[in-house]
Amino acid sequence: AQTVTQSQPEMSVQEAETVTLSCTYDTSENNYYLFWYKQPPSRQMILVIRQEAYKQQNATENRFSVNFQKAAKSFSLKISDSQLGDTAMYFCASPANTNAGKSTFGDGTTLTVKP
Amino acid sequence: KAGVTQTPRYLIKTRGQQVTLSCSPISGHRSVSWYQQTPGQGLQFLFEYFSETQRNKGNFPGRFSGRQFSNSRSEMNVSTLELGDSALYLCASSPDRGPANTGELFFGEGSRLTVL
Repeated sequence: AQTVTQSQPEMSVQEAETVTLSCTYDTSENNYYLFWYKQPPSRQMILVIRQEAYKQQNATENRFSVNFQKAAKSFSLKISDSQLGDTAMYFCASPANTNAGKSTFGDGTTLTVKP
Repeated sequence: KAGVTQTPRYLIKTRGQQVTLSCSPISGHRSVSWYQQTPGQGLQFLFEYFSETQRNKGNFPGRFSGRQFSNSRSEMNVSTLELGDSALYLCASSPDRGPANTGELFFGEGSRLTVL
């Protein structure tokens, strides 16, 4: 069984500052993916960043990066130089096996970027 | 490429009624999955369809059902609606197998159901 836990229901950050969102997970799979998705207010969910478990190097996408600690089953998202458009709910997720259709999501973290 | 399209976007029903939601996946995506999103429960997996067959099912009562057509479009149906069924229903598609499959889900904007 897979579980994904986000322990921060809400967070806020000042514009241009850095914020880190936490996620822990549990899985019995050897090879798996981990994702961070972003859901802006009243808009559709989109992928922020993806990490493949067999890759030791942490994924980076522009201002977004992850700290993937496989042994600790931790997968945090760091947003640098926060922008007002980063205000959204962020979900950590992991698909079952390599089947993307069935994914387990954390409860989400609502991030507010303040001007 | 057009994204995932869900209809209707908003709907209001009363208890006991039934509802059908529709989802058109991204062209070429054969896997369609449905999630229920509520403030208290987060995103809960409902079911997944692939090649017109239900491949995975979440822990929802039998009132929740779905199907997939030969063109990969999918519908979900909720019968005998209850107040607790009020939620945002999200559809997501993925290319499934092959090099195009990165594990990513591509979401629609959702259908917001209110049950009165």
